[in-house]
Amino acid sequence: DIVLTQSPVTLSLSLGERATLSCRASQSVYSNYLAWFQQKPGQAPRLLIYGVSSRATDIPDRFSGSGSGTDFTLTISRLEPEDFAVYYCQHYGGSPWTFGQGTKVEI
Amino acid sequence: QVHLQESGPGLVKPSQTLSLTCTVSGGSITGRGYYWNWIRQRPGKGLEWIGYIYYTGSTSYIPSLESRLTISVDTSKNQFSLRLRSVTAADTAVYYCARKDSGPTALDYWGQGTLVTVSS
Repeated sequence: DIVLTQSPVTLSLSLGERATLSCRASQSVYSNYLAWFQQKPGQAPRLLIYGVSSRATDIPDRFSGSGSGTDFTLTISRLEPEDFAVYYCQHYGGSPWTFGQGTKVEI
Repeated sequence: QVHLQESGPGLVKPSQTLSLTCTVSGGSITGRGYYWNWIRQRPGKGLEWIGYIYYTGSTSYIPSLESRLTISVDTSKNQFSLRLRSVTAADTAVYYCARKDSGPTALDYWGQGTLVTVSS
C-alpha cells in the first residue's frame, strides 16, 4: 500500500501569505493520480486538484499543484479567509487508494 | 448537477451490521466509467478510503476491512450501499459516499456525510 505523509501537520500563516503543503508517497504514484482536498469543520471534503496539477471546477487559480513520482506540493499563492481549513492529499492510481493524514492551515 | 445523499441508522450495536445507502440524483449510477466510493472519518481524525464499486460491478476494498465489507449497487433505485459486519466502537465515524469519473479526475462529488455511532 502507498503511504502518504503530509507536512507540516499544522501551518500557521497570515492573510495574504503563501502556503506550501507537502505530500510524500512511500512509492511512486501511478500515472500521477494524486489529488488534493480541502475540508472545513462539519463539511464534506472538496476536490481542489486532480492529476497532480489540474484544478477542479470552480477552484480559484490561487490554488496550484505540482510534483511527480513521490513528491507533491499544494501551493496557495495568497491566503484568503476562506482558505483556513484542513488539506488532504490522496492517491488513486492503484488499489487501495489512500489519504495523507492532513495539514491544518490556521491563522 | 450530480447529488449524493447518504442514509441509514445513526446508531448500531457492537457485533451487528452497519448498513448505509447512497442515493444518486442528477445522473445515472450505471454511467460508463464511474467509481462509486465510500470514505469514512473517525471523530477528530483524517479521511480513510473504504472501497468502491465500479460501473461494471467490480469492487475494491481496503484490505483491513475486506473480510467484513460489501459494497453493492441497486440500479433500479440509482443507489449503492455499504454493509460492514461485526462492527466495533472503532467503526464509529462519519461515512461519506463519493463519485469518481473515469480518467485522471478524482473524487469530484461527495455526499454530506452521515455519523454512525457503534454503541450498546
